[in-house]
Amino acid sequence: EAQVTQNPRYLITVTGKKLTVTCSQNMNHEYMSWYRQDPGLGLRQIYYSMNVEVTDKGDVPEGYKVSRKEKRNFPLILESPSPNQTSLYFCASRHRSGLLDTQYFGPGTRLTVL
Amino acid sequence: TQLLEQSPQFLSIQEGENLTVYCNSSSVFSSLQWYRQEPGEGPVLLVTVVTGGEVKKLKRLTFQFGDARKDSSLHITAAQPGDTGLYLCAGGLGGGATNKLIFGTGTLLAVQP
Repeated sequence: EAQVTQNPRYLITVTGKKLTVTCSQNMNHEYMSWYRQDPGLGLRQIYYSMNVEVTDKGDVPEGYKVSRKEKRNFPLILESPSPNQTSLYFCASRHRSGLLDTQYFGPGTRLTVL
Repeated sequence: TQLLEQSPQFLSIQEGENLTVYCNSSSVFSSLQWYRQEPGEGPVLLVTVVTGGEVKKLKRLTFQFGDARKDSSLHITAAQPGDTGLYLCAGGLGGGATNKLIFGTGTLLAVQP
């Protein structure tokens, strides 16, 4: 089954305590992204990766890091979380071929930073 | 700056009614996607339209891409409680491998039995 998995699904942490949210896809897609979803602001892209070892900033990259050492994994790292990073985070994997463009989202990680 | 405006933001209707959700922009998109998101889950892709004026049907859902590729609509016929969810449109900007998706703020639909 085509799948994007994220862990953890829920996380409550304190300001400044480093954390990593993992993301894995089993579809061999080259393109992966991280989004955050906030009320009234919709989904905003944090970082994306077009292939292994290739990452680039999205619209709201401040305070986040990513890595892409393997095609299937794309972890999101918050080195020093702050309360304004409290949000719902989604990892996504995307396949594009000609006119076909399909993006699969993970189930989300709800992060609260106290 | 929000490039994609969705309307209405909230919609509560009775089962069996018809509805239309709109997605508007001043930008021209190479493609337009519609997603549905249910509580506690990630968005799920419903359709992608790529040609101006294109109409696609998915059972009771009809999607249309504007002639100028700046807007789109989603029409649901005879809505059912299972249609309840957050509907998101996303426009593709740029071409080739760097095509970026910009998401609208969403329309929250509640269909009452």
